[in-house]
Amino acid sequence: SQTIHQWPATLVQPVGSPLSLECTVEGTSNPNLYWYRQAAGRGLQLLFYSVGIGQISSEVPQNLSASRPQDRQFILSSKKLLLSDSGFYLCAGRGRAYEQYFGPGTRLTVT
Amino acid sequence: EDQVTQSPEALRLQEGESSSLNCSYTVSGLRGLFWYRQDPGKGPEFLFTLYSAGEEKEKERLKATLTKKESFLHITAPKPEDSATYLCAVIISSGSARQLTFGSGTQLTVLP
Repeated sequence: SQTIHQWPATLVQPVGSPLSLECTVEGTSNPNLYWYRQAAGRGLQLLFYSVGIGQISSEVPQNLSASRPQDRQFILSSKKLLLSDSGFYLCAGRGRAYEQYFGPGTRLTVT
Repeated sequence: EDQVTQSPEALRLQEGESSSLNCSYTVSGLRGLFWYRQDPGKGPEFLFTLYSAGEEKEKERLKATLTKKESFLHITAPKPEDSATYLCAVIISSGSARQLTFGSGTQLTVLP
């Protein structure tokens, strides 16, 4: 099965600062990749997904953007963070039978 | 609108006290139902996939079952290390990237 790497693990950023979270995938090629946000005690909200290099679909209009510059790299960005962007961000890759494998997550706190 | 509802929101069990978690869904064209385990501060860990009513999957003390409207995660003789949040998700037949729709999870605490 594939392995999803994410960094950083924890991030504290001031309001109005930029953001870049990186996700890389190991053990598969041309995977579907996903960015989720999880609020405390809540389920996972799909933010973006990508079926290939340069192909990004947005599920929720917001202050964030995503890019896929390489086959196994998926980046989540923001030009100016808002307080409401705080949360737990998860990257996932699709397995062979539609299951998804998740990375360890990034805890983002916007102050 | 496709929905996934998990119950209860939280469950506290004594070690060895078996119970079940519920995941009910209202989707059309179900292609699969997935169970995940999530420990605090970590990403969800994939447990099972169920595809059709009547199917069952087992792993150690966990057994997942599926009907046409819901899935159960049965936990037999749980241990404290089974404490975690359990998430279910469904995938429907439409959608180009086969997105998963997640429930809000059941937070399980097993007391020694």
